[in-house]
Amino acid sequence: AQSVTQLDSQVPVFEEAPVELRCNYSSSVSVYLFWYVQYPNQGLQLLLKYLSGSTLVKGINGFEAEFNKSQTSFHLRKPSVHISDTAEYFCAVSHPFSGGYNKLIFGAGTRLAVHP
Amino acid sequence: NAGVTQTPKFQVLKTGQSMTLQCAQDMNHEYMSWYRQDPGMGLRLIHYSVGAGITDQGEVPNGYNVSRSTTEDFPLRLLSAAPSQTSVYFCASSMTGDGANVLTFGAGSRLTVL
Repeated sequence: AQSVTQLDSQVPVFEEAPVELRCNYSSSVSVYLFWYVQYPNQGLQLLLKYLSGSTLVKGINGFEAEFNKSQTSFHLRKPSVHISDTAEYFCAVSHPFSGGYNKLIFGAGTRLAVHP
Repeated sequence: NAGVTQTPKFQVLKTGQSMTLQCAQDMNHEYMSWYRQDPGMGLRLIHYSVGAGITDQGEVPNGYNVSRSTTEDFPLRLLSAAPSQTSVYFCASSMTGDGANVLTFGAGSRLTVL
């Protein structure tokens, strides 16, 4: 069975500082990995995804993530955050051979709070 | 393009009442799913469907029913609401096959059961 652990429930950071949101997964087979963002009172929006190929994945709004198979991690990074990045971030995993559809398993979420 | 539309946005129920959360998508997506979001637990899959007439259970199906009579609609039914079902519910859809890796989410339905 797959599972996702987001190591920090809350991350406070000052504006223009770098940030890393940590995500570890467990799976006995290869996986697809995703980061979603949820702004207050909204649905989830895809930030970036890793399916195969280069382990460094670039997404929207200046975010990037690195897939590390040996450490089973998929940490999300941004070199300089803005107030508008304040949101909840979810890491998710799926099995690429699950019948051709995307049954995502989510982590508990990390609330990023950017302060001026 | 409306995407995924959920109604109602807010609902308050009393214990034992029944209701249906509606979900409609206009993208001709074959795959549709329902998640519930609870603080500290992320999103958990309730039920999903890979096409009209086909549904299956996710992680937390108890207390919920679904059906898929058309490609566009995937309603979630609570037959006898319980306080433990107080949550925010999200509907999500995607293509299947090569396009399966991007889920589109609705804006959510906040349900309170008293």
